[in-house]
Amino acid sequence: AQSVAQPEDQVNVAEGNPLTVKCTYSVSGNPYLFWYVQYPNRGLQFLLKYITGDNLVKGSYGFEAEFNKSQTSFHLKKPSALVSDSALYFCAVRVRTGGFKTIFGAGTRLFVKA
Amino acid sequence: SQTIHQWPATLVQPVGSPLSLECTVEGTSNPNLYWYRQAAGRGLQLLFYSVGIGQISSEVPQNLSASRPQDRQFILSSKKLLLSDSGFYLCAWRAVQGENTGELFFGEGSRLTVL
Repeated sequence: AQSVAQPEDQVNVAEGNPLTVKCTYSVSGNPYLFWYVQYPNRGLQFLLKYITGDNLVKGSYGFEAEFNKSQTSFHLKKPSALVSDSALYFCAVRVRTGGFKTIFGAGTRLFVKA
Repeated sequence: SQTIHQWPATLVQPVGSPLSLECTVEGTSNPNLYWYRQAAGRGLQLLFYSVGIGQISSEVPQNLSASRPQDRQFILSSKKLLLSDSGFYLCAWRAVQGENTGELFFGEGSRLTVL
């Protein structure tokens, strides 16, 4: 069965410092991996995705994520956090073959302090 | 460009009353459509998905049902709401093309409170 784990309920970081939001996954087969962001009382917005190729993928708002197949991880990163990055972040996975369903992690709340 | 509309944005309903949440997508054809529920501002639970008109797959047996009467319309319904149906309901679509690698695009959500 597919699953996604976000081990941290909350991540706190000071503005200007680098941030990392962790994600590990478990799928039978090669995955498509995604990160989404959600602001209060809003729908989710797509940030970036890994399909194939370069393990480091770049996305919106200066975010990037690194795919590590041996560790089955897909951590979200940003070199310098902004207060406006404070939000709820979701990692998600979908299998390649016949996969109509996207499975989401429980979410990690990011607080960036000025 | 593609857009997704979801309504109503907020809804307060008594226990035992019916429910209808509607979602429409513009600017694309034959999308995959999804209903998710988000409880307590955290994880998303997939409720239903649809790969075509009249084709509904249910992920969780419950008090809710879904229908897709038109290609770009997805409706979430209940005949009798329960307190446990309260939550934030999100509709999403994905383009079906190529290797089907696409990300999901979400509506703005419908917040349902059952009293």
